[in-house]
Amino acid sequence: EAGVVQSPRYKIIEKKQPVAFWCNPISGHNTLYWYLQNLGQGPELLIRYENEEAVDDSQLPKDRFSAERLKGVDSTLKIQPAELGDSAVYLCASSGSGAPYEQYFGPGTRLTVT
Amino acid sequence: QQQVKQSPQSLIVQKGGISIINCAYENTAFDYFPWYQQFPGKGPALLIAIRPDVSEKKEGRFTISFNKSAKQFSLHIMDSQPGDSATYFCAAREDQAGTALIFGKGTTLSVSS
Repeated sequence: EAGVVQSPRYKIIEKKQPVAFWCNPISGHNTLYWYLQNLGQGPELLIRYENEEAVDDSQLPKDRFSAERLKGVDSTLKIQPAELGDSAVYLCASSGSGAPYEQYFGPGTRLTVT
Repeated sequence: QQQVKQSPQSLIVQKGGISIINCAYENTAFDYFPWYQQFPGKGPALLIAIRPDVSEKKEGRFTISFNKSAKQFSLHIMDSQPGDSATYFCAAREDQAGTALIFGKGTTLSVSS
């Protein structure tokens, strides 16, 4: 079974530029999460999707961050414009109805904003 | 307010020794407590998890001990190996399917050979 796929793995951009991250969850997993992981810290939730519906986006900075999961499978997280403080690893995770407590993470996208 | 407090921040153990990482929580609505292992450049990988209806769960060299009354849980790695050198995160989540995990700050384990 393929794991959670994320791309790109690394991204370097200048501040004020836009950036987008893509995630493909494990096949059949209806719940998708985007987490932010700062250096030396544990992941923190940005947004959670149940199928195509964003059911928890309370921690998403909506002035510059947006996300979508149009067909309830793949998801894209966007930052526009990026700030220096956005440098971090952006992790995508998914879980399925068969084992809703078990979240599986992708390798993450390491963003560096210069 | 940090909902899951993890200690120590770093740990050095000799090969063959026992590694112990502790976590404490306050929210009594938490009912699922996983541990994740993360290697540099990789995403966190689910290692082992426990529900509060049991006090201990063992999978191979990894054991979770859970103390509901003290609101504490710990990870024990028996016969620690250099390949276990990684960052370990405890986490917790509330009793609702699909809710997000609340992570501790992590413990960097180094197993010396």
